[in-house]
Amino acid sequence: GAGVSQSPSNKVTEKGKDVELRCDPISGHTALYWYRQSLGQGLEFLIYFQGNSAPDKSGLPSDRFSAERTGGSVSTLTIQRTQQEDSAVYLCASIKRRTQETQYFGPGTRLLVL
Amino acid sequence: GDSVTQMEGPVTLSEEAFLTINCTYTATGYPSLFWYVQYPGEGLQLLLKATKADDKGSNKGFEATYRKETTSFHLEKGSVQVSDSAVYFCALSAAGIFGNEKLTFGTGTRLTIIP
Repeated sequence: GAGVSQSPSNKVTEKGKDVELRCDPISGHTALYWYRQSLGQGLEFLIYFQGNSAPDKSGLPSDRFSAERTGGSVSTLTIQRTQQEDSAVYLCASIKRRTQETQYFGPGTRLLVL
Repeated sequence: GDSVTQMEGPVTLSEEAFLTINCTYTATGYPSLFWYVQYPGEGLQLLLKATKADDKGSNKGFEATYRKETTSFHLEKGSVQVSDSAVYFCALSAAGIFGNEKLTFGTGTRLTIIP
């Protein structure tokens, strides 16, 4: 399909472990976003990538969270030393251009930290 | 900062009833406004959008009009169906640093339609 894909779809981990979440944006989309959907906080922005520019990391909740985007395409969100409050659905979205364009969302990765 | 206030749910209606879900926003500048929908077991999908004042977005029988004077973007549908049962999110985006047009979401409204 031509949509945004994310993997894994579900991840269960133990507190203190590191996890990596992957996002494959729609081909040709230059910008990519990560969001988090949790019961306590709703849907919140995490990080934004646009082409080869420096990412906007202003939404990352702590320094345990990091993300990279290789070759302007695939992105990986890494959470180090996971905590129970990190349990949420992590959503990735991509857009073709940055001005008033629709963001297309992937199905999300549901993370459960035990 | 930017914010979206959305009618709290859950909302339960009978089939063919009229639907309104209220949404108001606070933003600097001139945001674009969106309604996203999340059907059970599925990802977020754009339902409709409006990019400037007085624009009306419409899709699948749903409508919302961008009202700058009341900073609102209420979602309406004249006759709901069981298949409309989902969670609805109002959202805005405004140009930020590095061209970041991140979405700021409301809390979501769970809609259930009873046959």
